[in-house]
Formats: sequence, structure tokens, C-alpha cells
Amino acid sequence: GQSLEQPSEVTAVEGAIVQINCTYQTSGFYGLSWYQQHDGGAPTFLSYNALDGLEETGRFSSFLSRSDSYGYLLLQELQMKDSASYFCATRQGGKLIFGQGTELSVKP
Amino acid sequence: DVKVTQSSRYLVKRTGEKVFLECVQDMDHENMFWYRQDPGLGLRLIYFSYDVKMKEKGDIPEGYSVSREKKERFSLILESASTNQTSMYLCASSIHRDSYEQYFGPGTRLTVT
Repeated sequence: GQSLEQPSEVTAVEGAIVQINCTYQTSGFYGLSWYQQHDGGAPTFLSYNALDGLEETGRFSSFLSRSDSYGYLLLQELQMKDSASYFCATRQGGKLIFGQGTELSVKP
Repeated sequence: DVKVTQSSRYLVKRTGEKVFLECVQDMDHENMFWYRQDPGLGLRLIYFSYDVKMKEKGDIPEGYSVSREKKERFSLILESASTNQTSMYLCASSIHRDSYEQYFGPGTRLTVT
């Protein structure tokens, strides 16, 4: 089976950089994705890493190291609107499994 | 624009009632999913479907069933609602069976009293 571990919450200030980590234990691994969910909203897809390295999309970047079974989401130039929950996810057979989520609070 | 809609945002039902949660997607996706979301537990897969008339159990199917009569519609059924089924229910769809990108609906917050 597979499991993913994330910190339950992270706090940072506006304008700063924050990193949300995700470690996984797998019996087969095909990549790591990230989702953002604002309070009361639907999860929305942010990024996907199939290979080792950094993928950048604007202020958000996602990193994967398969040898370390580890990935992270990097948010730069934090804005108040980035306050949300962030989930990492990977595949297990025919389905996605999600981490428990990290609640990011951005303070002024 | 991709859209997944769910029939209700909030629903209150009594213990023992049969509950239907409807999900419709307008993207012609073959793959649809039902999750429940509870604090500290993330998203847990209840059932999924890769085609019309087809269904597969997820990680927590007990107490639930599903129906997929049309490609765009995937229904979640609680045969006899119980208080431990009070939760946020999220429907999702994807283009490919092995896609990491799923499109989610806004969710239905179900309270069973």
C-alpha cells in the first residue's frame, strides 16, 4: 500500500517563502501531485511531478526526489489568498490517494 | 471551462433515510469519483467508475452504493444514513484513467441527525 505524510499546519507571513513537505511510502510509485483547497471550496489541481527535480508554475513550484521518497510544494511571494489547505497525492493502482493535508495560514 | 456540479451544497437528513447525492460533469470524462472529506483524514475514496454501468469500490465503500447510468452523471447513494456518515462529499472526474489531475465539484456537506 501507499501512505503520504504532511505537516498538519504551517504559518508564514505575507511576502515570504514557504515549503510544504510530503513524504511517501509506496509499493510502486508513479509521481506526486499537489492540490489546493480554500475553506469551503473544491480542491483544485496545482502540479504534477513524474520525474525528479523542480517544476515551476508562477509563484508555485513543486519538487520531487524519488530516491528520498520525498516531495515539496514551494510557495513564493506569499499572498493572503494563498491561505488554504494543500494536499499531496499519488496513485495506488487505479486511484489517487491523498495526504491528510497541510493548512497554510498567511499572516499580514 | 471544465465544470463538475453537485446537486446540493448542504443537506440535512435523518438517521435511516435513503440519501441520493448527484454529480454531473460537462467535460465528457469517462472517469468519475466520489470522496468524503473529514478533518484530519484528508480525502478518502468511496467509489469510482471508469465507464457507464461500471463501478469499483474505493477504500471506504461500506454503507454506500453508486449508480452510473449516463456518462455525465454519477450518483452516490446512502442506503440507510447514519450519523457517522455526516461529512463533506466531493465528486470528481478526470480525462484519463491514470490521470493525476482530477476536477472536483464544490462538495455537499451532509449532516445526518
